[in-house]
Amino acid sequence: GAVVSQHPSRVICKSGTSVKIECRSLDFQATTMFWYRQFPKQSLMLMATSNEGSKATYEQGVEKDKFLINHASLTLSTLTVTSAHPEDSSFYICSGGWVGEQYFGPGTRLTVT
Amino acid sequence: TQLLEQSPQFLSIQEGENLTVYCNSSSVFSSLQWYRQEPGEGPVLLVTVVTGGEVKKLKRLTFQFGDARKDSSLHITAAQTGDTGLYLCAPRLSNAGGTSYGKLTFGQGTILTVHP
Repeated sequence: GAVVSQHPSRVICKSGTSVKIECRSLDFQATTMFWYRQFPKQSLMLMATSNEGSKATYEQGVEKDKFLINHASLTLSTLTVTSAHPEDSSFYICSGGWVGEQYFGPGTRLTVT
Repeated sequence: TQLLEQSPQFLSIQEGENLTVYCNSSSVFSSLQWYRQEPGEGPVLLVTVVTGGEVKKLKRLTFQFGDARKDSSLHITAAQTGDTGLYLCAPRLSNAGGTSYGKLTFGQGTILTVHP
């Protein structure tokens, strides 16, 4: 199957700072990628759809100014958590692929202190 | 609005026992996927079911898609400690538009713990 990587795997930042998470498709081109957030012992919740060369589409309730998404190439999407707060601490996962077959990255554990 | 229910939310069993996880909705699905996720990792696809009444087997795992394509189940026979993880169902709606393009909505998940 296809491979999706994420970087970093873990990050700790101070409240008020911004953090960038990268999602890369290693062996395929992804015009669309998806970003999910997962809290402990809970399911994945879709945050936004990242579209190469155009604006991301955000799910209801997700602040687009807080979670900035950039999909500048066919193999890279980035999620920037701006002015992070402790409640933003979570496991962030991206996916890419095609209809009926999505491949997930290994996730990024964000801890905001 | 689609109402998707996955149950049970938590399941703690001994090695060797059997178990079933359910995914139900009032909506008709064009297909449904089951994923397994281990702590600190991304979900991994186990199976995709497409046809109403379909049954797929993956070693000790049996997946069933309801005749009406509104529900699905995952049955594990003789559970092993390595089966421990979060099991997620992710259906695709029949009326999903082209813009969905791989977008997944997950059930609440079932946290399975298999004790030795």
